[in-house]
Amino acid sequence: QQQVKQSPQSLIVQKGGISIINCAYENTAFDYFPWYQQFPGKGPALLIAIRPDVSEKKEGRFTISFNKSAKQFSLHIMDSQPGDSATYFCAAKGETSGSRLTFGEGTQLTVNP
Amino acid sequence: AAGVIQSPRHLIKEKRETATLKCYPIPRHDTVYWYQQGPGQDPQFLISFYEKMQSDKGSIPDRFSAQQFSDYHSELNMSSLELGDSALYFCASSPRLAGGPGETQYFGPGTRLLVL
Repeated sequence: QQQVKQSPQSLIVQKGGISIINCAYENTAFDYFPWYQQFPGKGPALLIAIRPDVSEKKEGRFTISFNKSAKQFSLHIMDSQPGDSATYFCAAKGETSGSRLTFGEGTQLTVNP
Repeated sequence: AAGVIQSPRHLIKEKRETATLKCYPIPRHDTVYWYQQGPGQDPQFLISFYEKMQSDKGSIPDRFSAQQFSDYHSELNMSSLELGDSALYFCASSPRLAGGPGETQYFGPGTRLLVL
């Protein structure tokens, strides 16, 4: 059972466009929600993370929106660039789930020039 | 900046053989995590260590064992390898904070294991 559900599975965006990836979770004990970017054959790299006490966090072109009541959070990539083409994973972590990160299924993002 | 180091980067083994994967965390990071990522899959948590003690255990097969040494590096030992063990194995580390491990996990480049 996937505790963190991510959509879409794949996304194609034109250069300069906005990429939006969504995640939903069930475990209300989750209290830390990072997003990772992964290029083929490489390890996941932390992009941005949020805690449930804020509804939005922005770092450069990357923004997390968080809706605690709906148990949903999303990643927005503004002015998407071909170099952003990668797989993006949302994840969640909480006290009752130990130290582990629970990942979503991943979104393959392609940004066309 | 120093990153997590994993070795070897690539490993080819036969069925029923053993393999040892090594992880060297970022300096001053004392928590180590192991994840397994199958092709086209999300990373699945295997096991973690904090201050050289096992801190959490996930879906790690009984054929696998791991430990963290006094210098905080960790080794994942895999025995009786099966075809299904072919995957990317990532190690991640977290910095030491007051009261416990930090929540941010920094991933290494991974070890690609192929079992033939």
